[in-house]
Amino acid sequence: KAGVTQTPRYLIKTRGQQVTLSCSPISGHRSVSWYQQTPGQGLQFLFEYFSETQRNKGNFPGRFSGRQFSNSRSEMNVSTLELGDSALYLCASSAGTGLFPGETQYFGPGTRLLVL
Amino acid sequence: AQSVTQLDSHVSVSEGTPVLLRCNYSSSYSPSLFWYVQHPNKGLQLLLKYTSAATLVKGINGFEAEFKKSETSFHLTKPSAHMSDAAEYFCVVSDQGTYKYIFGTGTRLKVLA
Repeated sequence: KAGVTQTPRYLIKTRGQQVTLSCSPISGHRSVSWYQQTPGQGLQFLFEYFSETQRNKGNFPGRFSGRQFSNSRSEMNVSTLELGDSALYLCASSAGTGLFPGETQYFGPGTRLLVL
Repeated sequence: AQSVTQLDSHVSVSEGTPVLLRCNYSSSYSPSLFWYVQHPNKGLQLLLKYTSAATLVKGINGFEAEFKKSETSFHLTKPSAHMSDAAEYFCVVSDQGTYKYIFGTGTRLKVLA
């Protein structure tokens, strides 16, 4: 099976702009989670989608949003970019059934966003 | 609330010597615990996971971890380090009832020739 793919891999934006990142999960996976990784804050959970519905949300401002499509592909959007939004954004997919404890998440390579 | 603490931000070992990366967890429930590795400019790769089965968990590339409830620890070990093991390692607990991963702050492993 193909792994989790993320596009684009690198992105440069300026303050005030908005950006959309895309994630394609492993075939058959219905849960997609997004994480932000920065040197100062480490890895932080943004949100998780399952069957086109946001199921969990982290502590990020409303400028960060996401959605999931019927084919389980997901996008996240950041509006009014700030310098502090520069980070590696990681997407992870899992089966999302909730039937088993500690369901494994499989991570994509990430999108590195630089805000100037 | 669940959390993990990685006790060392940096660990240096010589090639061929044992590796020990320490992780303590806090959880009100029987936790699900993971170790992931991240090589430079790459995503996260699962090394191993514990989900209340055997307390000694074997993973990929010769890594293993032991779940010790009495010590609330889940330390990662490898008998003999290889240059390719140089990377950042994350201990993770899965939040009970959600799909939220709670990450430790990471341990950067350096392997000296």
